[in-house]
Amino acid sequence: TQLLEQSPQFLSIQEGENLTVYCNSSSVFSSLQWYRQEPGEGPVLLVTVVTGGEVKKLKRLTFQFGDARKDSSLHITAAQPGDTGLYLCAGVRYSSASKIIFGSGTRLSIRP
Amino acid sequence: DAGVIQSPRHEVTEMGQEVTLRCKPISGHNSLFWYRQTMMRGLELLIYFNNNVPIDDSGMPEDRFSAKMPNASFSTLKIQPSEPRDSAVYFCASSFSASGRSYNEQFFGPGTRLTVL
Repeated sequence: TQLLEQSPQFLSIQEGENLTVYCNSSSVFSSLQWYRQEPGEGPVLLVTVVTGGEVKKLKRLTFQFGDARKDSSLHITAAQPGDTGLYLCAGVRYSSASKIIFGSGTRLSIRP
Repeated sequence: DAGVIQSPRHEVTEMGQEVTLRCKPISGHNSLFWYRQTMMRGLELLIYFNNNVPIDDSGMPEDRFSAKMPNASFSTLKIQPSEPRDSAVYFCASSFSASGRSYNEQFFGPGTRLTVL
């Protein structure tokens, strides 16, 4: 059983469309991170959200941390082929800043 | 700057053989993590070290798996004997963990793709 469930698992959309990926848990986290992983490489950190209700923007990507610190979303505006990859949310527990729990992942494909 | 270095990048072995994966963390980082990634189970933490000391090995599947960190610049993950179900991509990651910080950024290596026949 995954502690962090992501939805959808797979998403294939046309270039220029908008999309939202969700990360949900029944557990409370001190912070939540989003990573992106490209084929043949390790995950790379995109952002960390720390405060409940926090919204962070990274160009066309908008990240939100739920008020209850149990969930998060990633919204991409005007998706581009370069956004293709595996998106992973990761929860940081209050008990350990080092040990993070990764979500099940969303595999995103943007068609030109 | 060199990132996390892993070797080999690909390993194909037969069931029952010993496999050793190697990792060199980023210089100055004091925490090192070993993960396993499969389609079925996603990215799982196997073990992590802080200042070369194993802190949490609750993710290590069974006694066939062992990890060592003899110094700050080198770690190994050993599987003996290997089984087909161990086939996966194994990632090493490192971070700088400072006391009082509520989160850290982990930097991942490129991974070792292990296939056990």
